[in-house]
Amino acid sequence: DIVMTQSPDSLGASLGERATISCKSSQSVLSTSNNKSYLAWYQHKPGQPPKLLVYWASTRESGVPARFSGSGSGTDFTLTIRSLQAEDVAVYFCQQYYSTPFTFGPGTKVDIK
Amino acid sequence: EVQIVESGGGLVQPGGSLRLSCSASGFTFRDYTFHWVRQAPGKGLEYVSTIGYKGGTTYYADTVKGRFTISRDNSKSTLSLQMNSLGAEDTAVYYCVKARSFGELYAPGDYWGQGTRVTVSS
Repeated sequence: DIVMTQSPDSLGASLGERATISCKSSQSVLSTSNNKSYLAWYQHKPGQPPKLLVYWASTRESGVPARFSGSGSGTDFTLTIRSLQAEDVAVYFCQQYYSTPFTFGPGTKVDIK
Repeated sequence: EVQIVESGGGLVQPGGSLRLSCSASGFTFRDYTFHWVRQAPGKGLEYVSTIGYKGGTTYYADTVKGRFTISRDNSKSTLSLQMNSLGAEDTAVYYCVKARSFGELYAPGDYWGQGTRVTVSS
């Protein structure tokens, strides 16, 4: 199984500041056939289902604010929130969908400092 | 509008069984892979199972393999998860998740239901 790790476990940033979350996979999730990394990011708020933010490591889902961006390839990935807003307080998870089981990272809790 | 609604959760004794259902609307159900994902209290998201759009391909997490069975009825736009030999470690909110890409097995979830809570306790 591919093991996903995230850092930090939690972070606090001021409104308007940049927040950066790292996600690493124990093996590459880059497909050589289509040159795409099978990595997604989700936002999860209490009492709500998770929301897909980014897929293919860097493609923003429709309707997701432009302040969210994903980057990386292979085994190392980053989710950046360019200017943190109050409504961004949530837990963020990465997930690989390269091979089953489609494992999730442990999550990063983002708060306002 | 895409709607995904889970049902069937509840309190069950250790060793018991439960069948979760998921009904979906607002898109062509038979064209999409579905996943079940769960979240235990105070824990992160855990992958449970996947079923391909035709129903012939299924995958399971090792933690549920041999105990859980995923199935679908494309004529009724419904997904099911039969859970047997339940233990306390299966206590969680279970989410039904539509895969994002048409006909693709290896795809993230773009629409999630609100979840159904399963509690395994005596």
